[in-house]
Amino acid sequence: TQLLEQSPQFLSIQEGENLTVYCNSSSVFSSLQWYRQEPGEGPVLLVTVVTGGEVKKLKRLTFQFGDARKDSSLHITAAQPGDTGLYLCAGDRAGGTSYGKLTFGQGTILTVHP
Amino acid sequence: EAQVTQNPRYLITVTGKKLTVTCSQNMNHEYMSWYRQDPGLGLRQIYYSMNVEVTDKGDVPEGYKVSRKEKRNFPLILESPSPNQTSLYFCASSWTSGRALYNEQFFGPGTRLTVL
Repeated sequence: TQLLEQSPQFLSIQEGENLTVYCNSSSVFSSLQWYRQEPGEGPVLLVTVVTGGEVKKLKRLTFQFGDARKDSSLHITAAQPGDTGLYLCAGDRAGGTSYGKLTFGQGTILTVHP
Repeated sequence: EAQVTQNPRYLITVTGKKLTVTCSQNMNHEYMSWYRQDPGLGLRQIYYSMNVEVTDKGDVPEGYKVSRKEKRNFPLILESPSPNQTSLYFCASSWTSGRALYNEQFFGPGTRLTVL
């Protein structure tokens, strides 16, 4: 079982639609990151959230970290074909011997059709 | 140019033949990590290193070894590769801040390994 459950795994939408990707866990994270990956390349960081309840906006992308620091969401407004890619959430587990361990969700493959 | 490099980018090998995938970063990062990426499973951490001579197991360390003798290099060693290690491998590096990985991880371009 994945420590970070990401949903949906696949999302196919039309240009201009809104969408939300979820990242859920029963574990607490010190921080949570969202990455975007294009075919043939490594993931690239979009945002890091570190405070429970935190909301960050990056143009049409809104990221939220849950109050209990166990979940996060990525919302895209008015999706464009250039948003197409694999979106990954990654959590840094809080405290103790978990320091340095980074856990990724399964990823969400987003396709935005013109 | 700040970057993480991996070599080779593609490798086809046979079961049991030892191999090393190299990783090097030029950003003076303390933290380095290896991941494997498989369809439907996202990225899973194999090993990570907080600094020179400090390495620790990630979630899927079985069948892999690493070393961190210099800050810039973090090779991944497969002593006796098996077909279930066929995967896409990524190396990453980052600064660290206190007791959490707040900083961006920079990923290499990936190494696609096939073990026959």
